[in-house]
Amino acid sequence: GDSVTQMEGPVTLSEEAFLTINCTYTATGYPSLFWYVQYPGEGLQLLLKATKADDKGSNKGFEATYRKETTSFHLEKGSVQVSDSAVYFCALTGRDDKIIFGKGTRLHILP
Amino acid sequence: KAGVTQTPRYLIKTRGQQVTLSCSPISGHRSVSWYQQTPGQGLQFLFEYFSETQRNKGNFPGRFSGRQFSNSRSEMNVSTLELGDSALYLCASSSRVSYNEQFFGPGTRLTVL
Repeated sequence: GDSVTQMEGPVTLSEEAFLTINCTYTATGYPSLFWYVQYPGEGLQLLLKATKADDKGSNKGFEATYRKETTSFHLEKGSVQVSDSAVYFCALTGRDDKIIFGKGTRLHILP
Repeated sequence: KAGVTQTPRYLIKTRGQQVTLSCSPISGHRSVSWYQQTPGQGLQFLFEYFSETQRNKGNFPGRFSGRQFSNSRSEMNVSTLELGDSALYLCASSSRVSYNEQFFGPGTRLTVL
């Protein structure tokens, strides 16, 4: 069945460092891909999405490109801030419309 | 516009009891989905309701059930609680039967003793 694999955390970076969180997927057909973010004590918020191959989603300085050839949707940000500390979830929706989340990657940004 | 609200925020129960959690979606949203979040299993889809009908269901035992009312508010019920049911239960709403964008509530933290 469909699945999402993302890098395990926690990931600890210094402020202004470059961030990459890897995400790969397995799915039949052409899933839609998402990154959600969960700040402490809150529910998930949609960060960005891409619905077809080569689409780039972007929001708040974060970017991810839908790569069908490598079945990947890596999250990147050029310069992280302390306020980016959160848990990041990669997700997909496949043919049956069910959303499947990765296990989440906890990100700590040090000042 | 008010966000998704969930009540209660925290709950402590003992094994064998049952529990009902409530979710009020964003005004105008007709789709409500429920998820269980645990450190070991991550986020797992429980079920989705749209216009009072269950549209999709995850791989959970029959002890987990839900319903949706005509005002789109939803409840989920867990009967015969087990220790492993301790989790954060998240509700999400969307304007249509589509997962392109879901809006999540803050969750209900259930602890089973």
